[in-house]
Amino acid sequence: GAGVSQSPSNKVTEKGKDVELRCDPISGHTALYWYRQSLGQGLEFLIYFQGNSAPDKSGLPSDRFSAERTGGSVSTLTIQRTQQEDSAVYLCASSPRLTGAGTDTQYFGPGTRLTVL
Amino acid sequence: DAKTTQPPSMDCAEGRAANLPCNHSTISGNEYVYWYRQIHSQGPQYIIHGLKNNETNEMASLIITEDRKSSTLILPHATLRDTAVYYCIVRVASGNTGKLIFGQGTTLQVKP
Repeated sequence: GAGVSQSPSNKVTEKGKDVELRCDPISGHTALYWYRQSLGQGLEFLIYFQGNSAPDKSGLPSDRFSAERTGGSVSTLTIQRTQQEDSAVYLCASSPRLTGAGTDTQYFGPGTRLTVL
Repeated sequence: DAKTTQPPSMDCAEGRAANLPCNHSTISGNEYVYWYRQIHSQGPQYIIHGLKNNETNEMASLIITEDRKSSTLILPHATLRDTAVYYCIVRVASGNTGKLIFGQGTTLQVKP
């Protein structure tokens, strides 16, 4: 079946502009995650959505970052007034969020490479 | 959150078994050990996970010590396509968040 898809695959923007990154999770998956990976760094958690629960925004680095998930499916990550340090690969993952907190597997998309000039 | 320690890099000959170690000495009783890998320019890929028993699937085997303070991921017959960064992750069990906390991982280079 179809995996997690993200668009665009690459985005180049100028400092100060706003960008929107899109994630289409696997159909039926109730949990959705955003991570980012800066050059040469590990993956950093940003935000988590689970069903109708309030999202966990604890990983968002500043108030310029926001995300929403409409209808429990597609998610959009928005970065306002982009800065050069925002340049990174932004990865989305989804999981079926099976019962038992330790047993759900996250499936990652290919990522969006954001470059802020 | 339990932290993990992995060697930064390892080499393995093609066709041989690759054994990737991970230390997680502060793991809690209800925390799972997960392994993911990331091939260059791709998103992370799930490999295997376990709680306390050894696990095997079509990709790999996971050996967890009896005290659960360390584990080893085994790729039984490494191929060039297994060259990747391998992440050992202890799953955050508190609250309702299933976020994964990635360390620096082990860069495995499979050589012909």
